[in-house]
Amino acid sequence: QKEVEQDPGPLSVPEGAIVSLNCTYSNSAFQYFMWYRQYSRKGPELLMYTYSSGNKEDGRFTAQVDKSSKYISLFIRDSQPSDSATYLCAMSDRGAQKLVFGQGTRLTINP
Amino acid sequence: KAGVTQTPRYLIKTRGQQVTLSCSPISGHRSVSWYQQTPGQGLQFLFEYFSETQRNKGNFPGRFSGRQFSNSRSEMNVSTLELGDSALYLCASSSGQGSAAFFGQGTRLTVV
Repeated sequence: QKEVEQDPGPLSVPEGAIVSLNCTYSNSAFQYFMWYRQYSRKGPELLMYTYSSGNKEDGRFTAQVDKSSKYISLFIRDSQPSDSATYLCAMSDRGAQKLVFGQGTRLTINP
Repeated sequence: KAGVTQTPRYLIKTRGQQVTLSCSPISGHRSVSWYQQTPGQGLQFLFEYFSETQRNKGNFPGRFSGRQFSNSRSEMNVSTLELGDSALYLCASSSGQGSAAFFGQGTRLTVV
């Protein structure tokens, strides 16, 4: 079993929809949680970075961490075609060091 | 502020050869990590350097090595290339403990 599980999709939704992306993990030592967006043939771009449990909001993006359930989520409101990309969750027990990634969810927003 | 810069962007090498990839971190960042991304395995951690010292290492064979220079720039080397080493190699930099990692655009290595 992988340390971090993420549904690879693909996920296709209409423009304007609310998108929910999720990851589960098994290592209770993880304290740092990140979401990255990766466009085709590009490097991952940091979207959200949270420490421990709780919610964090940045514009149309909201990240949630539930350490008791070992479950993290990313919500995208008012989704746009430009949000079409692969979304990767990543986590660590020591900040930016030695990140463990999910498989990535391929998301398509249809105009 | 300039981002993480990786060179070259694309490489084609023959089995058995060796290759060196370069990474320049964001100015002021002292931690540099390397990852391998493949369709089958996803993103996997290779190693991390901080102040010229390897601080963490992933589960890759000894053919994969790296180093960091006093200006924080880093290189990774893969010797005796195998077909399975074909991948996108990503470098990430961060400013220290508890800070986020920022990735470069990657070097796409193809081994033929």
